[in-house]
Amino acid sequence: AQSVTQLGSHVSVSEGALVLLRCNYSSSVPPYLFWYVQYPNQGLQLLLKYTTGATLVKGINGFEAEFKKSETSFHLTKPSAHMSDAAEYFCAVSRGGGGGNKLTFGTGTQLKVEL
Amino acid sequence: GAGVSQTPSNKVTEKGKYVELRCDPISGHTALYWYRQSLGQGPEFLIYFQGTGAADDSGLPNDRFFAVRPEGSVSTLKIQRTERGDSAVYLCASSSQAGVEQFFGPGTRLTVL
Repeated sequence: AQSVTQLGSHVSVSEGALVLLRCNYSSSVPPYLFWYVQYPNQGLQLLLKYTTGATLVKGINGFEAEFKKSETSFHLTKPSAHMSDAAEYFCAVSRGGGGGNKLTFGTGTQLKVEL
Repeated sequence: GAGVSQTPSNKVTEKGKYVELRCDPISGHTALYWYRQSLGQGPEFLIYFQGTGAADDSGLPNDRFFAVRPEGSVSTLKIQRTERGDSAVYLCASSSQAGVEQFFGPGTRLTVL
């Protein structure tokens, strides 16, 4: 079975400050890892994903995440927060490979950006 | 279409009634997924189709829930004898056969009174 833990259901940062959203996963097989963003009343949008290869992955809107196998972590960062980054962020894991890629999500982190 | 579409966007029903939720995936995508997102939670997997067949229905909570995809494109999630606990946003996603990324629709908000 796979699981995802997101530490901090709510995170507040100042505009221009570093954004750090934490994600730890559990998987018995090499995982595929994802970060999705959800704006109010909208569907989920993929920010970035890790499958294989380079462990530091860059996504849209200046976000990046690093896969650390030894720490079973996939934390999301952005050097400088913008007001438009306020949204809910979900970390997810899948098994990858054949047989489908059903996602197991964390409970989400609501990011608030203050002036 | 340009993206995944879901209808209706909102559905209000009474306890015990039957509902159908529709998903139109991105054209050409063979894989289709249904998820349920309860308030304050992350989405939870319900069922996965590859083509017309349900390849994994392990997430369906009970036999009141059923989904079909008869022609390998549009899918319908069917809920019988709805209960208040079924209230949630139902999300649909699609991907290409070999694709890792799932593209999500805007969801259907189901409210059972």
